Amino acid sequence: AQSVTQLDSQVPVFEEAPVELRCNYSSSVSVYLFWYVQYPNQGLQLLLKYLSGSTLVKGINGFEAEFNKSQTSFHLRKPSVHISDTAEYFCAVSVRAAGNKLTFGGGTRVLVKP
Amino acid sequence: GAVVSQHPSWVICKSGTSVKIECRSLDFQATTMFWYRQFPKQSLMLMATSNEGSKATYEQGVEKDKFLINHASLTLSTLTVTSAHPEDSSFYICSVHDRVDGYTFGSGTRLTVV
Repeated sequence: AQSVTQLDSQVPVFEEAPVELRCNYSSSVSVYLFWYVQYPNQGLQLLLKYLSGSTLVKGINGFEAEFNKSQTSFHLRKPSVHISDTAEYFCAVSVRAAGNKLTFGGGTRVLVKP
Repeated sequence: GAVVSQHPSWVICKSGTSVKIECRSLDFQATTMFWYRQFPKQSLMLMATSNEGSKATYEQGVEKDKFLINHASLTLSTLTVTSAHPEDSSFYICSVHDRVDGYTFGSGTRLTVV
C-alpha cells in the first residue's frame, strides 16, 4: 500500500519570501502525485500534478514541484508568497492498481505573515 | 476537469436523526465517486468508493450501516449519515475521478450534530 508523509505540519513564512513544502511517498509501484490547496471550510483545489514526463511540474498561482524518483519526493515550492497563500496544503498519491484511490499526507499549514 | 457540486454546504441536525449529503458531477459521467471525511486540522480520510449501479466499497473501519452510499446515476452519489451522533460531526467531501485533472472535489459539507 502507498503512503504519503508531509514532513512539516506548519510552515510560517513572511510575505514575498520563498516557501518549500516537503512531501515524501512510499509505494512499490509507479504513482501519480498531486498537490492540493484547501482554504477554510472549502473543498480541495488542484495546484499541480505529476503523471509522467518532465519531473519539474508547474502549477497554478506560481507554484511548482519536482518529482524525484530516487528520493521518492515531490516537494512543492513558490519563490515569493502572498498573504492569500495562507492555507492548508495536501500532497497526495494515487496508484492505478489501487482503484485510483487517493492517499493524502497529513497536510501542511502555511501561514504567511506580513 | 469535471465540475462537482456538493450540497448542502453545512447542516446542523439533532442527535439520532439522519442527514443526506448529495454530490453531483455536473458535466462528467462519473462511474466512480469517492467520499472523504476530515476532522478539524486533520487530513482527508477516504471513507468509501461509490460505484454507479452497484454497492459502494467501504474502507476498513467505516460502518456501512451508518454511512449509507447510493450511486443511482452517473451524475449523482449520496451519503446518508444515519442516526447521527455528535462524534459524527465532521467535514465530508466528495470527489470525482476524471481524465483531465485526475480528481475534482466538491466544496464539502460541514455536519454538526447537536
